[in-house]
Amino acid sequence: QITLKESGPTLVKPTQTLTLTCIFSGFSLSTSGVGVGWIRQPPGKALEWLALIYWDDDKRYSPSLESRLTITKDTSKNQVVLTMTNMDPVDTATYYCAHRRNSFDSSGYSLNYFDYWGQGTLVTVSS
Amino acid sequence: SSELTQDPAVSVALGQTVRITCQGDSLRTYYANWYQQRPGQSPVLVIYGKNNRPSGIPDRFSGSSSGNRASLTITGAQAEDEADYHCSSRDSSGNYLEVFGTGTKVTVL
Repeated sequence: QITLKESGPTLVKPTQTLTLTCIFSGFSLSTSGVGVGWIRQPPGKALEWLALIYWDDDKRYSPSLESRLTITKDTSKNQVVLTMTNMDPVDTATYYCAHRRNSFDSSGYSLNYFDYWGQGTLVTVSS
Repeated sequence: SSELTQDPAVSVALGQTVRITCQGDSLRTYYANWYQQRPGQSPVLVIYGKNNRPSGIPDRFSGSSSGNRASLTITGAQAEDEADYHCSSRDSSGNYLEVFGTGTKVTVL
């Protein structure tokens, strides 16, 4: 079965760089159509998509955060790493990683969704 | 970038039907996905594509769409359906980005 788990610091200071690791099992990031994404959720607020990396190393970033984000993968270790620079208190949130599946339905329409999520890790930005 | 707008909150009597909507330009091109998030838990995919339920999701959950609007319907709402519901889709930029909705809190009375 597919599982994902986020790890990283629970507290970072303003201006510091956040590094989060997603360790997963039950799938390979070398399989066509598969990706891993990062999504965050400030306390009491909506989900916000951050970044995606696919089996072919294609990378996509939220336009509003692209200058601060880097996503990488280590297929041999079943890990995906997200770095976010210049952290600010508004970046305080629970950060999730999730398994991404891209496919097509019988009519040829693309299907793209996050079907498995990690438990999330709360990151607080404070001096 | 695209935006997906949802009503902040809706309520439904136990056993009745509730429809949650999601509106945005990207929905004219891409299907919406729907995620249920119970308090203190991670999101769970309940509907993807035109109207597909992952294994283990009750058939009281269904999805539909028309134009720039997508809907999640819970037919015969149960107490355990009280949760936040988030829609998402690819955005309309053509750059294969993702966007989430503003979220809807569903209260079962």
